[in-house]
Amino acid sequence: GAVVSQHPSWVICKSGTSVKIECRSLDFQATTMFWYRQFPKQSLMLMATSNEGSKATYEQGVEKDKFLINHASLTLSTLTVTSAHPEDSSFYICSARAGGSSYYEQYFGPGTRLTVT
Amino acid sequence: AQTVTQSQPEMSVQEAETVTLSCTYDTSENNYYLFWYKQPPSRQMILVIRQEAYKQQNATENRFSVNFQKAAKSFSLKISDSQLGDTAMYFCAFQKAAGNKLTFGGGTRVLVKP
Repeated sequence: GAVVSQHPSWVICKSGTSVKIECRSLDFQATTMFWYRQFPKQSLMLMATSNEGSKATYEQGVEKDKFLINHASLTLSTLTVTSAHPEDSSFYICSARAGGSSYYEQYFGPGTRLTVT
Repeated sequence: AQTVTQSQPEMSVQEAETVTLSCTYDTSENNYYLFWYKQPPSRQMILVIRQEAYKQQNATENRFSVNFQKAAKSFSLKISDSQLGDTAMYFCAFQKAAGNKLTFGGGTRVLVKP
């Protein structure tokens, strides 16, 4: 199956700083990438959908100025958490999908654990 | 908007036995896809099985099979001959055929006991 990587796998940052998480599709071109947030023992919550070269579409309730998403190429999307606070501590998961129509499987990255102190 | 409900927060099963996880969903769409994903302790999401709504035949993948009841909007997962490696969170998910977003249920934690 296709491989999606995330970097870093775990990051600790101080309150008020910004942190960037990278999501890469290693062996396919990802037309669309998704960013999810998962709190402990809870389900995945979609934060935003990004298409290469376009602005991301954010889900209701997600602050786009706080969670900056850039999908600059067909293999890379980044999520920047700006002015992070302890409540932003969570597990962030990206997924990537090839193609623009019909059914294409979403491949998930291994996730990034963010801890804000 | 679509909703996906998993009513069993946690289930345990003895190794080699069978366990069935329930999932119901609500949608006005006629064409869509349903999925079961597994999230082991590593937290890597793994696709277990997929069902196209237009197919009447239930999907199977080795020890995993589904019971898809479109009229009842029910999509259960049966794990046969449970193995220790099946211990994980299992999420049911919905995707519109014309869309690309996944809507996840709340998850069911499965513990396989030796």
